[in-house]
Amino acid sequence: LAKTTQPVSMDSYEGQEVNITCSHNNIATNDYITWYQQFPSQGPRFIIQGYKTKVTNEVASLFIPADRKSSTLSLPRVSLSDTAVYYCLVALTGGGNKLTFGTGTQLKVEL
Amino acid sequence: NAGVTQTPKFRVLKTGQSMTLLCAQDMNHEYMYWYRQDPGMGLRLIHYSVGEGTTAKGEVPDGYNVSRLKKQNFLLGLESAAPSQTSVYFCASSYLDRAVNSPLHFGNGTRLTVT
Repeated sequence: LAKTTQPVSMDSYEGQEVNITCSHNNIATNDYITWYQQFPSQGPRFIIQGYKTKVTNEVASLFIPADRKSSTLSLPRVSLSDTAVYYCLVALTGGGNKLTFGTGTQLKVEL
Repeated sequence: NAGVTQTPKFRVLKTGQSMTLLCAQDMNHEYMYWYRQDPGMGLRLIHYSVGEGTTAKGEVPDGYNVSRLKKQNFLLGLESAAPSQTSVYFCASSYLDRAVNSPLHFGNGTRLTVT
């Protein structure tokens, strides 16, 4: 069963734009791509979800190319409070309702 | 509206002891999940349920049992705890299935230590 792949960690400074890419080669035709944010000692929190092209909400944008084998979470003008682990989630082909998480990307934002 | 509530928040067990973790959701969600998270690792699915009275195995089901007698509750049981089950356990729920995706709503976790 294929897994999603993300960078293990990323560093940034306040005010910069951060882009985190997730690879998901075996995504199923009907599956959406969802990103979550997790702070220490808390459960993951929904950020954004998309199926294709671009989705934007008040906190992030999600870019999905036509082949949908990857996706990029874009966080505009990050602040210290955006320091967290970010997970992309897809329901992989053959995964049923198993909704497999990857290992996540630890984003560290500094002054 | 509390969302997803997990009890207890912390627990220490001795090897061989048993316990049950309770997850309750007040959003009328059909789907519920139990994950475990170990240091430096992502979340791994233990068991899940697609509706009241149903359960299914996830990635790492060995050593755990679950029950979904009521739609709002999903119980995770450890019959004979082992040190390898030391972890943080998260419960989640969602309204729809993966074909018409809906986001997962997570509880704040139960930190379990088995000595």
